[in-house]
Amino acid sequence: EAGVTQFPSHSVIEKGQTVTLRCDPISGHDNLYWYRRVMGKEIKFLLHFVKESKQDESGMPNNRFLAERTGGTYSTLKVQPAELEDSGVYFCASSEGAGSSYEQYFGPGTRLTVT
Amino acid sequence: SQQGEEDPQALSIQEGENATMNCSYKTSINNLQWYRQNSGRGLVHLILIRSNEREKHSGRLRVTLDTSKKSSSLLITASRAADTASYFCATVLNTGFQKLVFGTGTRLLVSP
Repeated sequence: EAGVTQFPSHSVIEKGQTVTLRCDPISGHDNLYWYRRVMGKEIKFLLHFVKESKQDESGMPNNRFLAERTGGTYSTLKVQPAELEDSGVYFCASSEGAGSSYEQYFGPGTRLTVT
Repeated sequence: SQQGEEDPQALSIQEGENATMNCSYKTSINNLQWYRQNSGRGLVHLILIRSNEREKHSGRLRVTLDTSKKSSSLLITASRAADTASYFCATVLNTGFQKLVFGTGTRLLVSP
């Protein structure tokens, strides 16, 4: 069974440009999460989808970030316009169940560098 | 402020030795989980301990949880070079939401 996949693995863009990150969860997982780790800081939650609906978006830093999950399958996270402080590693995770005891399976992350 | 703080930040040991990492948190939790991240890879789930549990084992891993002290420890016994990685604790709070709140991590280096 394929794990969580993310694309691209690396992205280098200039300040002011737009970048779209993609996450494909494990097939059948209704729950999809985005996290990010900026340099030297802890991994922080961004948002949680249940199917196509946003269950919790309390971690989204500002309105330059837009997450979608049309059809409840893959998800995209768009940053527009990108700022220097957006640099970091963006992780996606998925889980099968709705309870807090379900393991979240993480993808390898997308390393975003904004110059 | 951070929910999870870990110490030490870095740990260097020899193969065969035991490694202990500690995690402290601030608010009431539903469960606490430990993850490992190898360089350039994603996070791998190691073990989950619920708030009503005190100790859990999985292979060479032993996790303890002390809710009165709001702390947890991860013990890796008989370490191997392949255990070299960053280790993170993550808590799920009693808010009904499932988001993980991560600590800053411990970088473990196991030398042959």
